Amino acid sequence: GAVVSQHPSRVICKSGTSVKIECRSLDFQATTMFWYRQFPKQSLMLMATSNEGSKATYEQGVEKDKFLINHASLTLSTLTVTSAHPEDSSFYICSARSLDSYEQYFGPGTRLTVT
Amino acid sequence: KQEVTQIPAALSVPEGENLVLNCSFTDSAIYNLQWFRQDPGKGLTSLLLIQSSQREQTSGRLNASLDKSSGRSTLYIAASQPGDSATYLCAVRPGTGRRALTFGSGTRLQVQP
Repeated sequence: GAVVSQHPSRVICKSGTSVKIECRSLDFQATTMFWYRQFPKQSLMLMATSNEGSKATYEQGVEKDKFLINHASLTLSTLTVTSAHPEDSSFYICSARSLDSYEQYFGPGTRLTVT
Repeated sequence: KQEVTQIPAALSVPEGENLVLNCSFTDSAIYNLQWFRQDPGKGLTSLLLIQSSQREQTSGRLNASLDKSSGRSTLYIAASQPGDSATYLCAVRPGTGRRALTFGSGTRLQVQP
């Protein structure tokens, strides 16, 4: 099956710094990528949708200037959390889908802890 | 806006029991429905995907059904095992719009040996 990787798997950063998370589709071209956030014991909440080569579409309540998403190629999307604060600590999961696929394939997630 | 609800939120059963997890969604105009498993601190494992035209899918001890018109799906787990302990998430893909999966809140299952 299709494989999606995320890097890093865990990151700890200080408040005020920026963190970049990479999401890669390893064996298919991802025309669309999604970023989700999951707080402890809660479900996945969609943050944004990005299509290759175009600007991301953010869900209501998600600050686009804080969560910068770049989908520069058909195999790579990045999420940058700018000026991170402790309340941004969460589990971030990316998902990718090819143009002709019925399924979204999920990365293993990145645990972000902001101290 | 699509809302997905899962009942129960948590379930604890002895090993060997058959069990049913429920998922309901408010907008029946879906493209497909998917069941996932999530172990603590881990990512998602896809279990079953049901297209909107299908009624059920089976994989091993798992069987998922879909009643699109009533906005319901069930995940049936036969002969549960301690290794089945995890959170089970139901997600629907809308038939229109951005087509991102919308997730339910999950059912935390504990199978006791």
